[in-house]
Amino acid sequence: EVQLQQSGPEVGRPGSSVKISCKASGYTFTDYVMNWVKQSPGQGLEWIGWIDPEYGSTDYAEKFKKKATLTADTSSNTAYIQLSSLTSEDTATYFCARGSWELGFDYWGQGVMVTVSS
Amino acid sequence: DVVLTQTPSILSATIGQSVSISCRSSQSLLDSDGNTYLYWFLQRPGQSPQRLIYLVSNLGSGVPNRFSGSGSGTDFTLKISGVEAEDLGVYYCMQATHAPWTFGGGTKLELK
Repeated sequence: EVQLQQSGPEVGRPGSSVKISCKASGYTFTDYVMNWVKQSPGQGLEWIGWIDPEYGSTDYAEKFKKKATLTADTSSNTAYIQLSSLTSEDTATYFCARGSWELGFDYWGQGVMVTVSS
Repeated sequence: DVVLTQTPSILSATIGQSVSISCRSSQSLLDSDGNTYLYWFLQRPGQSPQRLIYLVSNLGSGVPNRFSGSGSGTDFTLKISGVEAEDLGVYYCMQATHAPWTFGGGTKLELK
């Protein structure tokens, strides 16, 4: 069974960074890209970017290029997103989602709530 | 960026009613490889989104066949043939033909 288990809720101070994890199981980690999606409170979905764990290649939406850094550790089948220079605009739930162009985002993590507060 | 416009934004339905959601794109989603990378998701209250449809009309694994997707180019439709209580939530279309990938604004399906 495919599962994406994300880390727990985070609270970050303005200007700081947080790093969220997404541990994959039930499939070959390097066979799919891992996407990250942002959902601000009461709002819709925004695609942040993807990482190909096999090659470490990444692609980001322009607005997140200076905000998010995607990495992956194939030894632990875990993908990460680091959010830097936190502001109140970064308060949101962040989802990881397994992806392929053919199948779309077929499995999602449970989401991680990031709260930016002083 | 490609803008996906979903209508209606709120859809009230009774159990058993058939409903449709429209997703219109600001650009054609037909890729040069012949595929159209248009997907549909449902997000139930308090849950993660789940994929319903991929490549316009292909039903995801485990998704009931009362869901169907259609369309081409810039106009796409998700149809639910006989709404059930578990179908309530927010529906999103998403495109992955043009970078950056974008989502529609969502359609909330509620009970009338």
